[in-house]
Amino acid sequence: EAQVTQNPRYLITVTGKKLTVTCSQNMNHEYMSWYRQDPGLGLRQIYYSMNVEVTDKGDVPEGYKVSRKEKRNFPLILESPSPNQTSLYFCASSLSGLAGSYNEQFFGPGTRLTVL
Amino acid sequence: LAKTTQPISMDSYEGQEVNITCSHNNIATNDYITWYQQFPSQGPRFIIQGYKTKVTNEVASLFIPADRKSSTLSLPRVSLSDTAVYYCLVASDTGGFKTIFGAGTRLFVKA
Repeated sequence: EAQVTQNPRYLITVTGKKLTVTCSQNMNHEYMSWYRQDPGLGLRQIYYSMNVEVTDKGDVPEGYKVSRKEKRNFPLILESPSPNQTSLYFCASSLSGLAGSYNEQFFGPGTRLTVL
Repeated sequence: LAKTTQPISMDSYEGQEVNITCSHNNIATNDYITWYQQFPSQGPRFIIQGYKTKVTNEVASLFIPADRKSSTLSLPRVSLSDTAVYYCLVASDTGGFKTIFGAGTRLFVKA
């Protein structure tokens, strides 16, 4: 089944304790992205990756790192989580970002993170 | 990147046609208009995408006027299960593949 998976689905942690949220897709997609969703703010892009060689900041990259060593995986790293990073996180992928076209993004099930 | 503006919320009744309009005055030549649907605690799901005129698929239609400064998502004969948040976004590959979703429109379908 074609899908985007995220782990863990739920996580409660404490301030300053490094954590990683994994994201994996099995559709051979070039493009992957991370979003956070907060009440009243919609979805905001954190980082995105055009392919394994290119990653770039979205609108809210502060406090996050990403890594794209393989095409299928795009982990989100919080080196020192803070309470303001409590949010619902979504990973997404799409076929590519070719010029003049836009490919639909497929979203994972979400990771609900609470930082105490 | 073009900013989008949508109504915050809309109410409808089962069986009615619902039209949600999105404004994107600064849309660029390479930009496509895409709509997503999101249910609570789930990731958004692609509904429809278009560049100009009209696009129709099995779930919705998308109307885009000639100036492309707005677009209208049309949902025919909505049901209770269409209650969700609908996002309009404008995106292209210009300067990278940055995506801005906006706050979306919360549609509530009543029996």
